[in-house]
Amino acid sequence: AQTVTQSQPEMSVQEAETVTLSCTYDTSESDYYLFWYKQPPSRQMILVIRQEAYKQQNATENRFSVNFQKAAKSFSLKISDSQLGDAAMYFCAYPFFGNEKLTFGTGTRLTIIP
Amino acid sequence: GAGVSQTPSNKVTEKGKYVELRCDPISGHTALYWYRQSLGQGPEFLIYFQGTGAADDSGLPNDRFFAVRPEGSVSTLKIQRTERGDSAVYLCASSFATGQRDTGELFFGEGSRLTVL
Repeated sequence: AQTVTQSQPEMSVQEAETVTLSCTYDTSESDYYLFWYKQPPSRQMILVIRQEAYKQQNATENRFSVNFQKAAKSFSLKISDSQLGDAAMYFCAYPFFGNEKLTFGTGTRLTIIP
Repeated sequence: GAGVSQTPSNKVTEKGKYVELRCDPISGHTALYWYRQSLGQGPEFLIYFQGTGAADDSGLPNDRFFAVRPEGSVSTLKIQRTERGDSAVYLCASSFATGQRDTGELFFGEGSRLTVL
């Protein structure tokens, strides 16, 4: 089955602390990309970070980094030094049939506690 | 424009009515996508345009849904005989993607929330 699973419907973290959001996926391919998108209340989906499966090194974008475990088909997002502006829905996405047909998980709602 | 623009932001209609949702992509982006996001779910693919043609419309749920992009820029998603189950946020995105499997980032608009009473 071609699925993307986010098992945490909601997460909360104290401001300035670190939080990790989980994502697993199912694929038989060996070369692909994985994405984390953020959706604030404005509804606009914004790309947070992208991981290339053939790269051993985990992607990092400022306070955002991933823990990519290819064999386990796991792609978690770590947010360091959480800020109030990080509060949003976070979606993991996999392009099962190409980048134009991203399959998204059901999302994790992240709350930042001041 | 600077970003993907979608109109209307919110649309309330009655069951059975016809609805049009408009998307104005980022200037120069050749690829345009429509996704539908139901409450509590992630976006689901509807249709993808490369230029003026629909390269892939396999996500359209039934023949009441149709989309056009006549000049390769603005796109309109058309829904006939709306049903309550069509209520959702309809998201549009654009990119420089060539249609190949690439790393092109999708740039999303803020969506059009459709409510069918």
